[in-house]
Amino acid sequence: QQQVKQSPQSLIVQKGGISIINCAYENTAFDYFPWYQQFPGKGPALLIAIRPDVSEKKEGRFTISFNKSAKQFSLHIMDSQPGDSATYFCAASVQTGANNLFFGTGTRLTVIP
Amino acid sequence: NAGVTQTPKFRILKIGQSMTLQCTQDMNHNYMYWYRQDPGMGLKLIYYSVGAGITDKGEVPNGYNVSRSTTEDFPLRLELAAPSQTSVYFCASSYLQGREQYFGPGTRLTVT
Repeated sequence: QQQVKQSPQSLIVQKGGISIINCAYENTAFDYFPWYQQFPGKGPALLIAIRPDVSEKKEGRFTISFNKSAKQFSLHIMDSQPGDSATYFCAASVQTGANNLFFGTGTRLTVIP
Repeated sequence: NAGVTQTPKFRILKIGQSMTLQCTQDMNHNYMYWYRQDPGMGLKLIYYSVGAGITDKGEVPNGYNVSRSTTEDFPLRLELAAPSQTSVYFCASSYLQGREQYFGPGTRLTVT
């Protein structure tokens, strides 16, 4: 059972365009929603994270939008660059209990020049 | 800081063999994790540890064992390797449980 559902599986965007990756969850106890970026042959690295008390968080060209009522969150990459080509994972965790991260299945982003 | 280091980078095992994947972190994090990554499946938690001497099962623990004798080290043991254990294995650590995790470079394991 996939706790966090991610789409699309792959995405091709022109340089300068906007890349949008979506995630959905069911467990309303989740209270931390990070995005990880992974380049080929490397481990994932934390890109940006949000808590459910805010609807949007921006860091440079990367923005997380969070819709608590819909139980959805998304990553927007503005002015996408070829160097952004990587696999992106959304994830979620809950602070109490085992509170481990549950990852989405990943989106392979390709930004073409 | 080296962060999280893993050895080996690559390994080929025959069915039924055993091996230990090594993981070390130098950030003094109490929390450490082992994941496996399969194409199209994301990362699945195998085992985690909340401190030296304390470990617990994740989503997919069958066929694996762990130990945590020090804060720095968190080895993953594969007993009786099976083709289903062909995967890329990542070790991670964090200051807070379930929060910002730092990943190692991974070990690509093939079982034939």
